[in-house]
Amino acid sequence: DAGVTQSPTHLIKTRGQHVTLRCSPISGHKSVSWYQQVLGQGPQFIFQYYEKEERGRGNFPDRFSARQFPNYSSELNVNALLLGDSALYLCASSLAGLIRFQETQYFGPGTRLLVL
Amino acid sequence: AQSVTQLDSHVSVSEGTPVLLRCNYSSSYSPSLFWYVQHPNKGLQLLLKYTSAATLVKGINGFEAEFKKSETSFHLTKPSAHMSDAAEYFCVVRLNDYKLSFGAGTTVTVRA
Repeated sequence: DAGVTQSPTHLIKTRGQHVTLRCSPISGHKSVSWYQQVLGQGPQFIFQYYEKEERGRGNFPDRFSARQFPNYSSELNVNALLLGDSALYLCASSLAGLIRFQETQYFGPGTRLLVL
Repeated sequence: AQSVTQLDSHVSVSEGTPVLLRCNYSSSYSPSLFWYVQHPNKGLQLLLKYTSAATLVKGINGFEAEFKKSETSFHLTKPSAHMSDAAEYFCVVRLNDYKLSFGAGTTVTVRA
């Protein structure tokens, strides 16, 4: 079975531009979470979506937005890019996103974004 | 607020010797704790998780971790390091129903 897939693998943008990152969850998983991992740090939670609804958001500005489609794939959008947005963006999928019920989140390989 | 602190940013061991990665947590109640591993250019992989069952948790690839409430620790160990264990390791705590909080990570290098 295919794992979580993300596209593109690498991306270079300039300040002020907009970027869209894509994620396809494991078949059967209905929840997608997005994390930002700045070089040398642990991943930071951005969003979780379940059944196309935003379930939670981390401490990120409104320039960051996301959506989930009927097939449960997801897009992360970042507007007005800043140099500090350079990071590895990770997508994780799980059955229903409820870690409390001992669900495991499965992570994709990430999209590495460089903002110049 | 719940959080984890990884006490070592970098650990270097010789192949065949034990590995110890230290993690302390802060939580107002019994936490759910995890260890994830990240190999270069690969996604994060779950090594093991503690969810208030047994305090000694066995994971994949020979890793295990022990939950010690009195010490608020969740250290990761492996009896004998292999070259393939060279990676970044993250101690993680569940913040709520759906949100994970990661530590800063420990880089493990394995010397031949």
